[in-house]
Amino acid sequence: NAGVTQTPKFQVLKTGQSMTLQCAQDMNHNSMYWYRQDPGMGLRLIYYSASEGTTDKGEVPNGYNVSRLNKREFSLRLESAAPSQTSVYFCASEVRPANTIYFGEGSWLTVV
Amino acid sequence: GNSVTQMEGPVTLSEEAFLTINCTYTATGYPSLFWYVQYPGEGLQLLLKATKADDKGSNKGFEATYRKETTSFHLEKGSVQVSDSAVYFCALSDRADSSYKLIFGSGTRLLVRP
Repeated sequence: NAGVTQTPKFQVLKTGQSMTLQCAQDMNHNSMYWYRQDPGMGLRLIYYSASEGTTDKGEVPNGYNVSRLNKREFSLRLESAAPSQTSVYFCASEVRPANTIYFGEGSWLTVV
Repeated sequence: GNSVTQMEGPVTLSEEAFLTINCTYTATGYPSLFWYVQYPGEGLQLLLKATKADDKGSNKGFEATYRKETTSFHLEKGSVQVSDSAVYFCALSDRADSSYKLIFGSGTRLLVRP
């Protein structure tokens, strides 16, 4: 997991609150991703960014927004948190030409 | 659309037993296939990958062969250790625009007893 850093690692929110998950990579990768992991469902893609300045929706984008601030940073924002967004969130980035995705250590989010 | 199906867990084995975790996929084109491992409280780590039919990926004693005829990528290890206890995810790549996305199976928990 070296090179992909996520903050915070743990967070508890009340319904309706907002927060931003931060992600940074120091490997000069072009593509970055946000996934969520829920029990029995594997990882599902929320948003991705193929390059600086571009973002696209993944499988489960509703309730989230993202910003690719620069090549290093890709943030995920919850504008009005809901209990259904309780999950573990993983940021990842892609290295080429190996076409391998590397993951951060995860952010545990609980919405009460 | 593309999808990955894994055997449900948990899989419980004794140390030194033989491991197989089944993975099958549905995809158009020729995706790359991956196995990721997640140890408790950690993120996902790439375990091995294969990029074309009949390729065998291997790492740390684990192996998986890309079988296009059966659309499978089963994970095997000849002799498991307690330290192999983790959740294993099968995934395929889904190339789109200038990036590519991983589609994951639901994961299989492995518990190895001493």
